[in-house]
Amino acid sequence: GENVEQHPSTLSVQEGDSAVIKCTYSDSASNYFPWYKQELGKGPQLIIDIRSNVGEKKDQRIAVTLNKTAKHFSLHITETQPEDSAVYFCAASMEATDSWGKLQFGAGTQVVVTP
Amino acid sequence: NAGVTQTPKFRVLKTGQSMTLLCAQDMNHEYMYWYRQDPGMGLRLIHYSVGEGTTAKGEVPDGYNVSRLKKQNFLLGLESAAPSQTSVYFCASRPNEVTEAFFGQGTRLTVV
Repeated sequence: GENVEQHPSTLSVQEGDSAVIKCTYSDSASNYFPWYKQELGKGPQLIIDIRSNVGEKKDQRIAVTLNKTAKHFSLHITETQPEDSAVYFCAASMEATDSWGKLQFGAGTQVVVTP
Repeated sequence: NAGVTQTPKFRVLKTGQSMTLLCAQDMNHEYMYWYRQDPGMGLRLIHYSVGEGTTAKGEVPDGYNVSRLKKQNFLLGLESAAPSQTSVYFCASRPNEVTEAFFGQGTRLTVV
């Protein structure tokens, strides 16, 4: 089955700097890669996603890149702000028959933005 | 618009007791999921369902059972609770395999 690895587990950045979180996946059939943000005491919420037919996607200060050959994807947050402090999860999903519907998550990255 | 609602939000069980966690969604989503979240281990998939009447095992299904008798509800059962099942449980739903999943607020379960 699919295995998603996420690094680093914790990331401390100065306000205004950039943050990068990297994930790798094992199954080349995966074709959907979302990123979720989880604030304390809440459920995860989608912040950006990318499909396998796209190499990069951007939404204001957030961008995701995908390298299908290397089977890795990354989240980039620019001009970080204190409200970006949270736990971030990457995930992978596919339409293949034997893993139909599964949504597999990485272990998460605790991001701390210090003023 | 309620989205995904989990019941209860908190629960303390004694070892060996049973309970059912309820997840309800009002978005007419086909796919529903149960995850557990433990420190440093991310979100681990327990069971999931791709439609009414169907269920499938995730990566950590032992000790849990599920049912999806109605499309809008996905129930997670613990027949004989163990301290190792102390965790925060999240339910999620989505329309298909390549769209956003919506999460509930979580259920914090403590087994003593």
